[in-house]
Amino acid sequence: NAGVIQTPRHKVTGKGQEATLWCEPISGHSAVFWYRQTIVQGLEFLTYFRNQAPIDDSGMPKERFSAQMPNQSHSTLKIQSTQPQDSAVYLCASSLDWSQNTLYFGAGTRLSVL
Amino acid sequence: AQKVTQTQTSISVMEKTTVTMDCVYETQDSSYFLFWYKQTASGEIVFLIRQDSYKKENATVGHYSLNFQKPKSSIGLIITATQIEDSAVYFCAMREGFLSSGSWQLIFGSGTQLTVMP
Repeated sequence: NAGVIQTPRHKVTGKGQEATLWCEPISGHSAVFWYRQTIVQGLEFLTYFRNQAPIDDSGMPKERFSAQMPNQSHSTLKIQSTQPQDSAVYLCASSLDWSQNTLYFGAGTRLSVL
Repeated sequence: AQKVTQTQTSISVMEKTTVTMDCVYETQDSSYFLFWYKQTASGEIVFLIRQDSYKKENATVGHYSLNFQKPKSSIGLIITATQIEDSAVYFCAMREGFLSSGSWQLIFGSGTQLTVMP
């Protein structure tokens, strides 16, 4: 079991550029979550999918952020027109199914917006 | 709205001793789930242990155990026989029952930095 895989591990973008972050959940896991971690805000929930369907995006900034899960093996988080305040570690996690609460996290993508 | 509070920013202990990390939570739900995660220096977040609110017995996994005090909305993590490699940031987290919150999101506390000294 390879665990949750996130790519890239580090991404540097210029202000105004687009950033796409990738997540491959653990095989067989039906729920995928995205979190953002900063020193100031800590671990913040962004959004999650269950069986590829978006269930809760209450943590997503309304503008510039979007997430998709086109198939059961990967999810993407896209940030358009990145701003310095978007700099953070973006973490993807998956869980087995709706009745299993334990999240398994990927190593994260560190996004730096210059 | 649910909330998780860890008031201890950092703790230092000697190796092979026992440490307790505090966590209090707020929820209106009668059914909820509590977790402790560990984040290592490399940034990896690892699940340690969980407590379901309807269970009266404190959960135990290896040298991790929980002190669940439901009337006080408290879920402390106890690490016995600490080792150098236990040095990490420990996060408490909570998830309410799906029927009440309509969501499966996990809410995290701010974390406690544990340093185990030789």
